[in-house]
Amino acid sequence: GAVVSQHPSWVICKSGTSVKIECRSLDFQATTMFWYRQFPKQSLMLMATSNEGSKATYEQGVEKDKFLINHASLTLSTLTVTSAHPEDSSFYICSARGQGAVGNTIYFGEGSWLTVV
Amino acid sequence: AQSVTQLDSQVPVFEEAPVELRCNYSSSVSVYLFWYVQYPNQGLQLLLKYLSGSTLVKGINGFEAEFNKSQTSFHLRKPSVHISDTAEYFCAVSDIGLTGGGNKLTFGTGTQLKVEL
Repeated sequence: GAVVSQHPSWVICKSGTSVKIECRSLDFQATTMFWYRQFPKQSLMLMATSNEGSKATYEQGVEKDKFLINHASLTLSTLTVTSAHPEDSSFYICSARGQGAVGNTIYFGEGSWLTVV
Repeated sequence: AQSVTQLDSQVPVFEEAPVELRCNYSSSVSVYLFWYVQYPNQGLQLLLKYLSGSTLVKGINGFEAEFNKSQTSFHLRKPSVHISDTAEYFCAVSDIGLTGGGNKLTFGTGTQLKVEL
């Protein structure tokens, strides 16, 4: 089946630094990618929707200048957490939706643990 | 806008017993429905989905769900659970979208299934 890969799977960074998380669709072209955030023992909250070649659409309450999303190709989207703070520590998950044969199914990455110290 | 309600935050069950995880949704438009499973410290794995057609959907690992439009429900069932089914289960809904490709997912708060010996 279709595979979505996230990298890194976990990262620890110092407060004030920036960290980038990559989301790749390995065997299909992802016209749309979604970024979610999940706090421990809570549900996934959509942060933003990105379409290849255009600006991401952010959900209400999500700071677009802090969470930079780039979807430069049909197989790669990146989330950059800028000037990270401890409260940004969370599990970040991306998902990708393809077209054509892949149909309406959305595939999720394995997630990335971010710890800001 | 859609919303998803998972009434049970935790469901304890003995091994080999049947289980039902409840999910109700609210939407003013037609929707696609999904169940995902999340094992500890991992991303989400699709269990099953309802797009159209038969209201009884069979998924992986012996799970099935039934779409009930009149009751706006999509309950997940398994006739006999195993210890390895212990995980968090998320119900999700997406609208069909303008092109039929589905849109962003809205998740329920999750149900922790704990299978005991």
